[in-house]
Amino acid sequence: NAGVTQTPKFRVLKTGQSMTLLCAQDMNHEYMYWYRQDPGMGLRLIHYSVGEGTTAKGEVPDGYNVSRLKKQNFLLGLESAAPSQTSVYFCASSYSLGTDTQYFGPGTRLTVL
Amino acid sequence: QQQVKQSPQSLIVQKGGISIINCAYENTAFDYFPWYQQFPGKGPALLIAIRPDVSEKKEGRFTISFNKSAKQFSLHIMDSQPGDSATYFCAARARSNDYKLSFGAGTTVTVRA
Repeated sequence: NAGVTQTPKFRVLKTGQSMTLLCAQDMNHEYMYWYRQDPGMGLRLIHYSVGEGTTAKGEVPDGYNVSRLKKQNFLLGLESAAPSQTSVYFCASSYSLGTDTQYFGPGTRLTVL
Repeated sequence: QQQVKQSPQSLIVQKGGISIINCAYENTAFDYFPWYQQFPGKGPALLIAIRPDVSEKKEGRFTISFNKSAKQFSLHIMDSQPGDSATYFCAARARSNDYKLSFGAGTTVTVRA
């Protein structure tokens, strides 16, 4: 049982490049989330999904897109990376929105030059 | 604008001492208040949580105190150990906000041996 996994762990992009971050969970959770973590800002929700094929905007969705084609996977895309998107990105999952616990992955550190 | 304000930003405590982290909120619709613990290079993990119908919850050396009238809650770490050195995030959730978690900015706790 790996829990929540994220790939890649580190990535450096140039401004304007695109990339996709992959999140996978093996807990059969319905709900998945993408957060970004910046110093002094805590964790801010980018997008989330309440089930396969559905996504919704979080607190800071601009510049990001997501897809949930399979229940176990949640992809975060950056179409044209900007230096302001330099951050640590965390994926999380939970059994339901009302369930107490969100399980987090180990994070992806992204630097945009 | 963060819905949950957390302080202090960092604190240093001697081994065996008490660490206290405070959080305040305005949204009276919040109905669940978890604390997450994050070690360097790892994702956050649920530490302890409380609902507003109780004033205190204790799990081992960790205690949440909740003051509904003041809209404040705090985490106390008793007999702090070097292994408690981590960043702690308070959070809050409201059903009216699709149960999404709003996180505080985080407190980095360093326990000196």
